[in-house]
Amino acid sequence: SSELTQDPDVSVALGQTVRITCQGDSLRSYYASWYQQKPGQAPVLVIYGENNRPSGIPDRFSGSSSGNRASLTITGAQAEDEADYYCNSRDSSGSHVKIFGGGTKLTVL
Amino acid sequence: EVQLVESGGGLVQPGGSLRLSCAASGFTFSSYWMSWVRQAPGKGLEWVANINQDGSEKYYVDSVKGRFTISRDNAKNSLYLQLNSLRAEDTAVYYCARDSGTLTVVVFDYWGQGTLVTVSS
Repeated sequence: SSELTQDPDVSVALGQTVRITCQGDSLRSYYASWYQQKPGQAPVLVIYGENNRPSGIPDRFSGSSSGNRASLTITGAQAEDEADYYCNSRDSSGSHVKIFGGGTKLTVL
Repeated sequence: EVQLVESGGGLVQPGGSLRLSCAASGFTFSSYWMSWVRQAPGKGLEWVANINQDGSEKYYVDSVKGRFTISRDNAKNSLYLQLNSLRAEDTAVYYCARDSGTLTVVVFDYWGQGTLVTVSS
């Protein structure tokens, strides 16, 4: 099975731009989706596919991908963006097995 | 409004069994793939299993193959996860999630609030 790798910790100054990355072989074939999780809450989908935001997600969240790497960018980070972020995709085997990255804890300073 | 409500978690001894349920409402349940995702205390998300619309396809993470069984009842708008031969490392919050994705992208667009499974003697 394949893996998705994320940096465990990332920090950003309030109002600045931050990029959270996810790397894995499966991303050469499949798009990533991104989830935000705050303590004690269920994950929330924030970006999926090429660069799609579900209804209600602020437009400061955007996504991109290149080769085996996907990125989630927050432009003008807010205090409420402090959370854990997980990437997700299908396994590179081509089956319907799904995988998550290990997660990135974002701190807004 | 889409809602997913899990139930059935609790404390169980190693080697024991538990059946989790997820009640779905607010959408046409029979039209979607559904997944179970778990999160051990203080750890990240781990996809556990999924099932297609009519229940004919099921997939599992390697660590639960042969022990967990996913199923669904479209008439009752319900998703299930049977957990057998439980181990301490199965201790986690178990979430059900709707998968609205396509062949090229996973889209877990709705999640339940989770149910806690604790495996301990």
